[in-house]
Amino acid sequence: KNQVEQSPQSLIILEGKNCTLQCNYTVSPFSNLRWYKQDTGRGPVSLTIMTFSENTKSNGRYTATLDADTKQSSLHITASQLSDSASYICVVSAFSNDYKLSFGAGTTVTVRA
Amino acid sequence: DTAVSQTPKYLVTQMGNDKSIKCEQNLGHDTMYWYKQDSKKFLKIMFSYNNKELIINETVPNRFSPKSPDKAHLNLHINSLELGDSAVYFCASSPLTGKGETQYFGPGTRLLVL
Repeated sequence: KNQVEQSPQSLIILEGKNCTLQCNYTVSPFSNLRWYKQDTGRGPVSLTIMTFSENTKSNGRYTATLDADTKQSSLHITASQLSDSASYICVVSAFSNDYKLSFGAGTTVTVRA
Repeated sequence: DTAVSQTPKYLVTQMGNDKSIKCEQNLGHDTMYWYKQDSKKFLKIMFSYNNKELIINETVPNRFSPKSPDKAHLNLHINSLELGDSAVYFCASSPLTGKGETQYFGPGTRLLVL
């Protein structure tokens, strides 16, 4: 079972509307959580990074929240634009001597005019 | 001034052939990675190198052999290509490793094995 689960798998929204993506994880001990945006045909690009002590972080119209107690994160997109159409990937890092990143399968967002 | 570059962008080849994908980063990072993204868009790490040394090898068939001539380059050679190797391969780099640093991804190489 994947240690990072994202929902929904995909969603379609109208331009100008808001949406929220969910990420639940079981990675432990927790180090940080990142949201990446992957445009079609491109590599992922980091949007936000959150550590244990941070509850919310914004990057323009993107706002990420983190509840380390329930091991849940969300990414909220405000006033969506056509350019927001992409896959959004949640990546969780564990505290360890060895490298360990756990990737979610991503949520595909389609914004329609 | 591309940060992480990969060549080729597209690669179409016959089953059984041997092919290489090249990756270069000009960010001065110490760590480089190869990921495979399948048709379901799930990213899976394959290898990680830190200062030319292999630090991660995730149960990848030994037909895949990474080579790092210096810390700015990490190439991926694939022998005896199989249909299941068709995917998008992403190279990435980060400043350090083990601390969950932001990774910077290349544009991807789309491999299609016929």
